[in-house]
Amino acid sequence: DAGVIQSPRHEVTEMGQEVTLRCKPISGHNSLFWYRQTMMRGLELLIYFNNNVPIDDSGMPEDRFSAKMPNASFSTLKIQPSEPRDSAVYFCASSLTSGGQFFGPGTRLTVL
Amino acid sequence: RKEVEQDPGPFNVPEGATVAFNCTYSNSASQSFFWYRQDCRKEPKLLMSVYSSGNEDGRFTAQLNRASQYISLLIRDSKLSDSATYLCVEEDSGTYKYIFGTGTRLKVLA
Repeated sequence: DAGVIQSPRHEVTEMGQEVTLRCKPISGHNSLFWYRQTMMRGLELLIYFNNNVPIDDSGMPEDRFSAKMPNASFSTLKIQPSEPRDSAVYFCASSLTSGGQFFGPGTRLTVL
Repeated sequence: RKEVEQDPGPFNVPEGATVAFNCTYSNSASQSFFWYRQDCRKEPKLLMSVYSSGNEDGRFTAQLNRASQYISLLIRDSKLSDSATYLCVEEDSGTYKYIFGTGTRLKVLA
């Protein structure tokens, strides 16, 4: 059984560069979530989609962050331009309407 | 405002001990809760769902106390491999969004 797939697993970039994180949810799941985790703030929900439609993006820090879900099997989270304070682990998770969210392995982002 | 509160620990316990964590929540209307386990530098993994009747899976028991608005996780006969951070989750009943606690660190010592 393939779980949630994320790429890249690690990303090191310089301030000002564009960063694109990718996620493939578990087949059949209808909800997809993007989280960010840091030591200081813990796990924060950035945005979530239901049936490919963004439902709540209130957690997106600012306009530099954007997310898309063009189809049921793919989503991207883009940061442009990136800043050092964006350094964190970014997780994608998917679920059916209820019953638990399943997380991908995460992308560890470092912005220099 | 953080709505899910957990003792960050660490809880250091000897192998074979029984350990319990509590987690408080603020929305009395919430119906669904979960416990996740997160190992260092790994993703959170679903450990158990917690419904009104509680839940038991082997050495792990999760319970819900609606009157006092807390959920608990009990680990019996703890193993070295149980060492991890345990995250409490409240599911918002209107939006299905998860509200995560900051986690409780457990270290099981040989």
